Amino acid sequence: QKEVEQDPGPLSVPEGAIVSLNCTYSNSAFQYFMWYRQYSRKGPELLMYTYSSGNKEDGRFTAQVDKSSKYISLFIRDSQPSDSATYLCAMSALEYGNKLVFGAGTILRVKS
Amino acid sequence: EAGVAQSPRYKIIEKRQSVAFWCNPISGHATLYWYQQILGQGPKLLIQFQNNGVVDDSQLPKDRFSAERLKGVDSTLKIQPAKLEDSAVYLCASSLVRTGREAFFGQGTRLTVV
Repeated sequence: QKEVEQDPGPLSVPEGAIVSLNCTYSNSAFQYFMWYRQYSRKGPELLMYTYSSGNKEDGRFTAQVDKSSKYISLFIRDSQPSDSATYLCAMSALEYGNKLVFGAGTILRVKS
Repeated sequence: EAGVAQSPRYKIIEKRQSVAFWCNPISGHATLYWYQQILGQGPKLLIQFQNNGVVDDSQLPKDRFSAERLKGVDSTLKIQPAKLEDSAVYLCASSLVRTGREAFFGQGTRLTVV
C-alpha cells in the first residue's frame, strides 16, 4: 500500500464546474498537507498548504484536511480551461525530517 | 525573481552511459532538493542539501547516483552507469527554509535511457 493514494483520473469537467480532488494517506504522523499544480513539461508549483486539520481558502481554491479520516481535498470553484493540469498532493511530518511524500497526481481537464 | 534553472532540458543516452544534470537554485535559498519523477508518478526525493551539506539521501541509489553542491549554490546530479529504469524527469527545487513546504521547482530534465 502506498503512503499517499491519489486517483490518477483523468477528470474531465466543463468550464465553470466545481472540481473536487482528493487524496488518502496511511501515516497518521503527517502534519503538513500541500497541493501542487503541474502543467505539462513543467515543474510542480505550490498552490497552498495546510497544517493539521481544517480548511484553507485562497481565491477559487479551498483545501480541506480531515486527519481523523486521513483524507484531504482540494476544491476549485468556477474552473477554467487554464486550470487543466496535473494536481499533486503532498504531505510531510516533522519526525521524518519534513520530507515531502507525493501522491501520483490527478490529471484535470477543463473543457470550454 | 529568477526561478530555479536546470540544464539540459532533455537528454537521451544509452544504458550503461553516464549523465550529469545541473541546477542553479533561487538566490539565497539554502536548501536544495533533487527529485525523480517517473511517468505517471509523483516526485520522489533523491537528496536534500542544506547549504553544501547533505540532510537526507536515504532514497538515493548510491551505487550509481551521486550529487554534490559545491559552495552551497549550484548542484550537479550524476548517474553512472545509467539503467533503463532511470528514465524519468529529474526535478531540482530550492527553498528558503528547511521544511520543504514552500519549495520552488525548476522545469526539470527529461532523461530517456535506451
